[in-house]
Amino acid sequence: QKEVEQNSGPLSVPEGAIASLNCTYSDRVSQSFFWYRQYSGKSPELIMSIYSNGDKEDGRFTAQLNKASQYVSLLIRDSQPSDSATYLCAVRYTGGFKTIFGAGTRLFVKA
Amino acid sequence: EAGVTQFPSHSVIEKGQTVTLRCDPISGHDNLYWYRRVMGKEIKFLLHFVKESKQDESGMPNNRFLAERTGGTYSTLKVQPAELEDSGVYFCASSQEWTGRYEQYFGPGTRLTVT
Repeated sequence: QKEVEQNSGPLSVPEGAIASLNCTYSDRVSQSFFWYRQYSGKSPELIMSIYSNGDKEDGRFTAQLNKASQYVSLLIRDSQPSDSATYLCAVRYTGGFKTIFGAGTRLFVKA
Repeated sequence: EAGVTQFPSHSVIEKGQTVTLRCDPISGHDNLYWYRRVMGKEIKFLLHFVKESKQDESGMPNNRFLAERTGGTYSTLKVQPAELEDSGVYFCASSQEWTGRYEQYFGPGTRLTVT
C-alpha cells in the first residue's frame, strides 16, 4: 500500500516567519513530487513540483527532496496571512499513473 | 488559457437516482484524471484517461461508477444508482505528460450530496 504521510497540523506561524511543511512517502521508487495549496471550499492549486534530489526555489517557496530518506518538504519564507490554507503533498509513483495525495497540513499565519 | 472546468458545481440527488458529472480539461491536455474527496479524508484517485483510453481505473469504487471520454476531449463520470456514501467533492485534473512533466491542474470540483 503506497502511502503519503503529512502532519495534519494545524501549524501556526507568525507573519514574516518561515513555515516548514513536511511529507514522507512509502515507496522508494517514486518519480514526481508536488505541493498543492487548497483554500477552504476551493480546489487544489499547484504551487511546486520537484523531480530530483535537492532544493527547488520559486519565489517565497522552496521544495526540498531527499529520495534516500523518502522525504519531501516545503518551506514558505516571509509567511503571509494569505498563505493560510491546507497544503497537500502528492506523489506520483514510477511505473504507474496514480498520484497519491497526503491528507494535508493546515497552516495558519497569524498577523 | 482557460483552466479545467467542471459542471455542475453542486448536485443534490436522492439515493437511487443518477447523476452525471462533466469535466472539460485544459485545451491540448491529453491526460485527464478524476479524483474524489469525501468529508475529512484525503483526495483519492479514481481513474486516468490518456486521450479517450482508460489507462488506470483501479480507484473506481464499484460498477455503479462509469467514466467516459469520447473523442478524447471532455469526460463524464456517471453514478448510477447513487448511494449515500457517494457524497463528496469530485475533482477533475488534466496534464500534458508527453513532455515528461506530470503537473496536474485541478478543476473547481463538483460537490455531490446524496440524500
